[in-house]
Amino acid sequence: GAGVSQSPSNKVTEKGKDVELRCDPISGHTALYWYRQSLGQGLEFLIYFQGNSAPDKSGLPSDRFSAERTGGSVSTLTIQRTQQEDSAVYLCASSSNPYNEQFFGPGTRLTVL
Amino acid sequence: AQSVTQPDIHITVSEGASLELRCNYSYGATPYLFWYVQSPGQGLQLLLKYFSGDTLVQGIKGFEAEFKRSQSSFNLRKPSVHWSDAAEYFCAASSGGSNYKLTFGKGTLLTVNP
Repeated sequence: GAGVSQSPSNKVTEKGKDVELRCDPISGHTALYWYRQSLGQGLEFLIYFQGNSAPDKSGLPSDRFSAERTGGSVSTLTIQRTQQEDSAVYLCASSSNPYNEQFFGPGTRLTVL
Repeated sequence: AQSVTQPDIHITVSEGASLELRCNYSYGATPYLFWYVQSPGQGLQLLLKYFSGDTLVQGIKGFEAEFKRSQSSFNLRKPSVHWSDAAEYFCAASSGGSNYKLTFGKGTLLTVNP
């Protein structure tokens, strides 16, 4: 079956603009995660959704970052008023339940000029 | 604070040689442990995982890892490296329970010489 997909694969934006990154998890996976991979910080957890529970937002670096998951499936990560330090690869992962391995998508490379 | 440490940033081995990538963790209790591999421009692929039980775990692509509680380590090994193993390797951990987010090490870049 299809794996985790993310779009766009690359995004170049200007400082101050808003961006939306999309993640389509594996069908039937109830848990969805966003991570950020940057040269300086490595791989960092951002946010976690599990079913209908309130998301764990403890990794979001600032209030410019938000995410939602509609209908328990697709998720969108939104970054408002982008800054150059937001440049990174944003990875999405899903799992069939929190005890199971996380399957990662190919990522979205965000470049803020 | 919970952390995962990979002491080696870059390792170079010859094709056919054995490989060991080091990983140490600092958690209040034994975490769930994982090794992922990332090829250039690709997402992360799970090699193997340890939740409990047998401390030697087998993974895909001929990799294995050994959990050592006394050393807080979860080192990745392969007896004979192939050129296609060149990639970046990440050790990761999670607390389990109600907290499943992964904490990653900084990664070890593996170069394989012919």
